[in-house]
Amino acid sequence: KNEVEQSPQNLTAQEGEFITINCSYSVGISALHWLQQHPGGGIVSLFMLSSGKKKHGRLIATINIQEKHSSLHITASHPRDSAVYICAVRPNKLIFGTGTLLAVQP
Amino acid sequence: SAVISQKPSRDICQRGTSLTIQCQVDSQVTMMFWYRQQPGQSLTLIATANQGSEATYESGFVIDKFPISRPNLTFSTLTVSNMSPEDSSIYLCSGGTSDGYTFGSGTRLTVV
Repeated sequence: KNEVEQSPQNLTAQEGEFITINCSYSVGISALHWLQQHPGGGIVSLFMLSSGKKKHGRLIATINIQEKHSSLHITASHPRDSAVYICAVRPNKLIFGTGTLLAVQP
Repeated sequence: SAVISQKPSRDICQRGTSLTIQCQVDSQVTMMFWYRQQPGQSLTLIATANQGSEATYESGFVIDKFPISRPNLTFSTLTVSNMSPEDSSIYLCSGGTSDGYTFGSGTRLTVV
């Protein structure tokens, strides 16, 4: 079993929909990261969380340390949000999930 | 947060040759890392680049195949040596501080 599990693996949404991507992990962590990867391979760091909730524009990330679970929400989704979203946890080094491929259709 | 410039963005290389990938950070970072992402797989840590000393490699990765340099706190290189088609992957560098991680734009390598 992977130490970091994401769901769903693939997600197709219509523009404007509210989107949720989930991440569960099985190790103790000091922080959890949500990353966005575009087709060329480059990665942008969206959030680093150790507790609670963070918001940046239309993106919201939450974490429940007791349940070892985090969610990434996208409100009013847009085709430019189409990318792979990766959850990574940090016990000491980063351990990555396999990613969620999101496609937002106009 | 720090910005990382990674070069080249992509390359197609012949079997048996070597490719050096560079990462330049616009500010000093405590840690630098190199990752590989094979097709359809998650990112895997190759090594931690240590300033002025030998890199720390993860299980399954060796210095002869992936020599790494980090002469200062803002620059590192990864060489993929004696390439085979199995080395076709995305290679990413990352810089870390206590505030979080920044990633390069990735190098998409195809070995033919």
